[in-house]
Amino acid sequence: GESVGLHLPTLSVQEGDNSIINCAYSNSASDYFIWYKQESGKGPQFIIDIRSNMDKRQGQRVTVLLNKTVKHLSLQIAATQPGDSAVYFCAEEEERDDKIIFGKGTRLHILP
Amino acid sequence: EAQVTQNPRYLITVTGKKLTVTCSQNMNHEYMSWYRQDPGLGLRQIYYSMNVEVTDKGDVPEGYKVSRKEKRNFPLILESPSPNQTSLYFCASRGPYNEQFFGPGTRLTVL
Repeated sequence: GESVGLHLPTLSVQEGDNSIINCAYSNSASDYFIWYKQESGKGPQFIIDIRSNMDKRQGQRVTVLLNKTVKHLSLQIAATQPGDSAVYFCAEEEERDDKIIFGKGTRLHILP
Repeated sequence: EAQVTQNPRYLITVTGKKLTVTCSQNMNHEYMSWYRQDPGLGLRQIYYSMNVEVTDKGDVPEGYKVSRKEKRNFPLILESPSPNQTSLYFCASRGPYNEQFFGPGTRLTVL
């Protein structure tokens, strides 16, 4: 629930604007990356993923960008809506060992 | 409805009293895992299982056990819970396209 959000960086965005959430990953051998959304009181929900042989992938209103040179991942949400308010986590995985490592998360706050 | 279920959703217990949190999925997924979520630390993987009778340690396995006797169930066992295991626990299963489905969470308090 709410205690998950303690100590998290917060991004405040005006409703209708685009949101960009950033994530630095740690393992240069990671080859699979995922973004999750977690609403208050719920489990994380898959949003979009990308493999290391790509640098961009688009979904419905969301785009993930991967920069392997600087080990950086970003999630772009177009035309942010109140329902986008949540904590967003990036996750990385080295597929040969099947362990998934999550980032600390960013809270997205939508301004009316 | 495709889902991951966990029970109980909330549990308050005392140090040393063995407990089990059940996890079940109805999607015939082979991969299942357990995570704990703590403020400031995010989600950390406790154990995972690639298939029946196959389990592996995640990043924080100490103090936990799991079993995978059948594909749909992956219980998390705390043989002797301690206060530092107070946390929010999530079970997840992963489908053939790597999408993970998370359960609703179990909030555990160990006094």
